[in-house]
Amino acid sequence: GAGVSQTPSNKVTEKGKYVELRCDPISGHTALYWYRQSLGQGPEFLIYFQGTGAADDSGLPNDRFFAVRPEGSVSTLKIQRTERGDSAVYLCASSLGLAGGETQYFGPGTRLLVL
Amino acid sequence: DQQVKQNSPSLSVQEGRISILNCDYTNSMFDYFLWYKKYPAEGPTFLISISSIKDKNEDGRFTVFLNKSAKHLSLHIVPSQPGDSAVYFCAASGINTGKLIFGQGTTLQVKP
Repeated sequence: GAGVSQTPSNKVTEKGKYVELRCDPISGHTALYWYRQSLGQGPEFLIYFQGTGAADDSGLPNDRFFAVRPEGSVSTLKIQRTERGDSAVYLCASSLGLAGGETQYFGPGTRLLVL
Repeated sequence: DQQVKQNSPSLSVQEGRISILNCDYTNSMFDYFLWYKKYPAEGPTFLISISSIKDKNEDGRFTVFLNKSAKHLSLHIVPSQPGDSAVYFCAASGINTGKLIFGQGTTLQVKP
């Protein structure tokens, strides 16, 4: 079966532009997570969904960041007015449920570079 | 405020020997601890986990030890193989949330 897929794999944009990053979770997984990984650091939690609703968005750094999952499957992370500091690898993961310790399966990430 | 810390950025071991990767945490409310392995240009891959009610979990060559009083866990890989060379992340979560808090990672190099 297919794993978590993310598109695009790489995105280069200019400061101030808007970007959308897409995540296709494993079929049947109800929970979906977004993380951001900067160079030399571990993944940093941004937001997660249970079904269509955001269960915890406490990791979103500011109101330029927004994520949706309208049908409980594919999710889109949206970044407005991008800044150079937004450059990072954006990782998506999914899991069967939301229980603590549930294995999260990660996609390969989208490498975002803001010039 | 780094709740999960991996203080060794890198580790080098000889093939066939034991690799020990360490992780410390500060939040006593964490209920699960997980180790992920990451190769360049790929997403992290789940390796092994442990619940806070246990002190050891073993899966083949991989064993995780948890010392709750010291808020410390370690991953033992024995025998180490060159294919184990990767970045290893320690992560923790609470009981009713899937939100993972990751450490900074340790790069393991296993030399043939």
